[in-house]
Amino acid sequence: AQKITQTQPGMFVQEKEAVTLDCTYDTSDQSYGLFWYKQPSSGEMIFLIYQGSYDEQNATEGRYSLNFQKARKSANLVISASQLGDSAMYFCAMRRPDTNAGKSTFGDGTTLTVKP
Amino acid sequence: GAVVSQHPSRVICKSGTSVKIECRSLDFQATTMFWYRQFPKKSLMLMATSNEGSKATYEQGVEKDKFLINHASLTLSTLTVTSAHPEDSSFYICSAPRSIAGGPNEQFFGPGTRLTVL
Repeated sequence: AQKITQTQPGMFVQEKEAVTLDCTYDTSDQSYGLFWYKQPSSGEMIFLIYQGSYDEQNATEGRYSLNFQKARKSANLVISASQLGDSAMYFCAMRRPDTNAGKSTFGDGTTLTVKP
Repeated sequence: GAVVSQHPSRVICKSGTSVKIECRSLDFQATTMFWYRQFPKKSLMLMATSNEGSKATYEQGVEKDKFLINHASLTLSTLTVTSAHPEDSSFYICSAPRSIAGGPNEQFFGPGTRLTVL
């Protein structure tokens, strides 16, 4: 079974500063994928970044980077230069990347509020 | 643009009625789709896997007779909440996997349907 833990229900960050959202996971699978999604108040899930379990380098996508520490089973999301539009709920998720029908397991989410 | 659509985006109904929610993959075929339920400020909980041409696979604790799923074509899955009650009020989200060249099979999420049962 796969499990995702996000220990920060809510986070605050000042505009233009960086923020780290924590995510730890547990799985017995050797191959897996880790994802981060953003969910604004409108409700849609927006894909941010992906890290494969065999990827040696940390994933980056614009202002988003994933601090992947496999031995610690953590996949923290780092948002640099926060913007007001980054205020949203953020979910860490895991699933097997090897099948077309992989189910995702989600963490409880972190609500990020960016202060002006 | 959106690759998965959901209709309706919002529905309010009376207790005891049935509500149908559609999930469509746009410009790609999806033999499998997933239905999630989300309570306010909570995580997404997988309800069932919708399989084109065969029965849906339900997660433990999800009533299959309550939440009817039909995957009639390679681009359409429907979730029908039968005899809805106030406790069924929730945000329902579907997703469909799509292969991305050079990357993982990505799950694209629909915009969600907010169901309110009075």
